[in-house]
Amino acid sequence: QKEVEQNSGPLSVPEGAIASLNCTYSDRGSQSFFWYRQYSGKSPELIMSIYSNGDKEDGRFTAQLNKASQYVSLLIRDSQPSDSATYLCAVQRDSSYKLIFGSGTRLLVRP
Amino acid sequence: SAVISQKPSRDICQRGTSLTIQCQVDSQVTMMFWYRQQPGQSLTLIATANQGSEATYESGFVIDKFPISRPNLTFSTLTVSNMSPEDSSIYLCSVEQATDTQYFGPGTRLTVL
Repeated sequence: QKEVEQNSGPLSVPEGAIASLNCTYSDRGSQSFFWYRQYSGKSPELIMSIYSNGDKEDGRFTAQLNKASQYVSLLIRDSQPSDSATYLCAVQRDSSYKLIFGSGTRLLVRP
Repeated sequence: SAVISQKPSRDICQRGTSLTIQCQVDSQVTMMFWYRQQPGQSLTLIATANQGSEATYESGFVIDKFPISRPNLTFSTLTVSNMSPEDSSIYLCSVEQATDTQYFGPGTRLTVL
């Protein structure tokens, strides 16, 4: 079992729709959770961080964390073609600076 | 967030040679990290570079192959030694800033022939 799992996709949604990206993790000691966006040929760019159960909203992005079920998700409202990228989920263990990355989900927003 | 630069941005190297990648940050940071992203793959941590001490390497990575320097709080280098085609990857440095958050440099795309 991978430590951080994501569906590789591609996830294809029409422009204006809600894109839902999911991530599960295996280490119950994980405390910090991050979503990065990576455009082809570019480095990862931090979108959201979340540390507590529940929802965290930032503009069109909402991160959701459920530690009991060991999953974290990212919702993108009003998806735009410019949102087309690979979204990486990363988990940080308690008392460690190490980030464990999932394999990423490729999102395609159709005009 | 800090501004992070890497040199070179890309390089094509011959098998058996070595390449040193530089990472420069515009502010002092305690923690710097080096990652590898192989084609079509996600990021894998190579090592954590702490100023004033030896780097801490992850399982599967050794100092002889990936020596790291961290001479001060704004700079680090990663050397990829005795390269083979399997070392063709994007190499990324990252720095940790507020609330355990990591920000990435632009990366170095390495092709080994």
